[in-house]
Parts: sequence; structure tokens; C-alpha cells
Amino acid sequence: GQQLNQSPQSMFIQEGEDVSMNCTSSSIFNTWLWYKQDPGEGPVLLIALYKAGELTSNGRLTAQFGITRKDSFLNISASIPSDVGIYFCAGQRATDSWGKLQFGAGTQVVVTP
Amino acid sequence: SQTIHQWPATLVQPVGSPLSLECTVEGTSNPNLYWYRQAAGRGLQLLFYSVGIGQISSEVPQNLSASRPQDRQFILSSKKLLLSDSGFYLCAWSALAETNEQFFGPGTRLTVL
Repeated sequence: GQQLNQSPQSMFIQEGEDVSMNCTSSSIFNTWLWYKQDPGEGPVLLIALYKAGELTSNGRLTAQFGITRKDSFLNISASIPSDVGIYFCAGQRATDSWGKLQFGAGTQVVVTP
Repeated sequence: SQTIHQWPATLVQPVGSPLSLECTVEGTSNPNLYWYRQAAGRGLQLLFYSVGIGQISSEVPQNLSASRPQDRQFILSSKKLLLSDSGFYLCAWSALAETNEQFFGPGTRLTVL
């Protein structure tokens, strides 16, 4: 089952607005990853985080590894139509081996002009 | 650069028929390989992972099996498909060194009728 609580489930925003989503867990994580999936395609890795407190950007995307190591946040600034898709968080729990990831249920982002 | 392929892209099979999905990776050696299933466009469930030729770990008891006959080839099989096997199957790879960054293939859409 899923160990990560990802919210919100969906977001309807206007072009130009900022988007924020997060993942939380009761477990401690060593790694947080954020993916974007377009319909009918495989997820694409956006950002990887490996240290508590780490803040990393990829263009208009910024993600943070929570200080408690139990959460992570993804922000998208100045959204554009191509930001539409499902965003997934994923992470490796401290108690799991390398490569074993837990996934959130996803946040569906819809951008209207 | 590394690329990952999945074949076929879509498949419609009757209940009780066999299954074979193939995943191949190019541009890297000794990758970790993973099979996931995604239902209804949300949430990825890890089915199998492999750290080397002939080494398969199963995460969820099910009607499926996996094999790794070559370093960069990962196969998902079933002897008799069930209706519940329908879904979007994703293959992913990661570098053998300590990294949790997984890179996904384009997926196979399986419909069991």
C-alpha cells in the first residue's frame, strides 16, 4: 500500500498562477523524488532531493526536502498550459534498501488559459 | 545517453491467455530494473525488481512473474491472465550505485477481456 499522503488530489488553476503540492508520511525518508506524468506516458523525473532541508530548482519548479525528513514540497511558479499532468512524489524510506520507492497517489494539475 | 524501451505499447488479451512484456535498456550497464503497475492513472505499485541477471525480487504475490535473461532485459510474464491484471505496466531502471533516481519507460497498456 501507499505510504505517502500526497495533496491536493487535483488542482484547477489559471495560467500564470503558482502551484504548490506536498507529500507527507509518518516514516523518515532518505530521498525524495518528484515526477510528472503525461497521459499514456511514463513518469519523467523532475527533481531529486537527498538531504534534509535541501531546496532544489529546475526551471520554474522548486522542491524541498522537509527538515523532519517526513515530508517534501513541490512548487511550480507562473504555470503554463504544458504544466498540465499528474505530479507524483516518491521516496525511499530510511528503513528500506536503495531503489525501493514509495509513491504518492499523485496530484492532477489542470491549467486553464 | 540512456534509453529505455518497452514492447508492446498496447495489448488486448483474453482471460486465461499468456502474457509477455519486454523491457530493454540501452546506454548503461548493470542497472537495477523494476516493474510497476499503475491502475486508473494514479499510484504506482512495485511488482518486481532485479539487481542482476537471474536475480528477481517479488514485492506482491500475484499472477505474474518476472525474469532477467540478460543484463539489460527485463521480462514480465503470466501463464494465465486474469481480468484484474489489466493496467498500465511501467518498467524503470536506476544506476547500480547508491541512487534512488529511477527512470521510466513509455509503458504498456494491457487490457484483459
